[in-house]
Amino acid sequence: KQEVTQIPAALSVPEGENLVLNCSFTDSAIYNLQWFRQDPGKGLTSLLLIQSSQREQTSGRLNASLDKSSGRSTLYIAASQPGDSATYLCAVRTGGYQKVTFGIGTKLQVIP
Amino acid sequence: DAGVIQSPRHEVTEMGQEVTLRCKPISGHNSLFWYRQTMMRGLELLIYFNNNVPIDDSGMPEDRFSAKMPNASFSTLKIQPSEPRDSAVYFCASKIAGGQETQYFGPGTRLLVL
Repeated sequence: KQEVTQIPAALSVPEGENLVLNCSFTDSAIYNLQWFRQDPGKGLTSLLLIQSSQREQTSGRLNASLDKSSGRSTLYIAASQPGDSATYLCAVRTGGYQKVTFGIGTKLQVIP
Repeated sequence: DAGVIQSPRHEVTEMGQEVTLRCKPISGHNSLFWYRQTMMRGLELLIYFNNNVPIDDSGMPEDRFSAKMPNASFSTLKIQPSEPRDSAVYFCASKIAGGQETQYFGPGTRLLVL
């Protein structure tokens, strides 16, 4: 059974700081890995999707990396802004199934 | 595109009552997912459908929970009878089946069972 862990559970940083969110998973036979953002009272919005054959994906100030062999992914946010404040969830799709396993998330607060 | 639509957005009910949550997926998407989110357990997959057919309902917690997808544009999740421990946010998501594409989430239904 796939298990996904995110560390830290919460993070508070001053505006402008670069930061890294961590995700680890127990079964390395993954199909893909996604990072989502969730704002309070809202649904999830996909940020980046990394296929199992890829090492990283970039979108604007966001960069996600994937190391399948070690069961780890990181989400790097450059020059953080107050608007980045949200909960970030890591989700792993294992094998060929549609089923996705989510981490609990990291709650990020960027202080102006 | 209006995105995934869920109703109601908020539901407060008393223990023992029947609760029905509704979802309209994005047009053209043929996979639909129901999730439950709580502080303690995070986001859990309850059931998903491909082309209106339930594929995996192993996440459905008990027989009190049931889900249907009578057509490609509508799905329901029903809890009967409801219990206080069912209080959570229930999300519906849709995607194109078989592809690498992401799931698109609705805004969720916040359920409180008293």
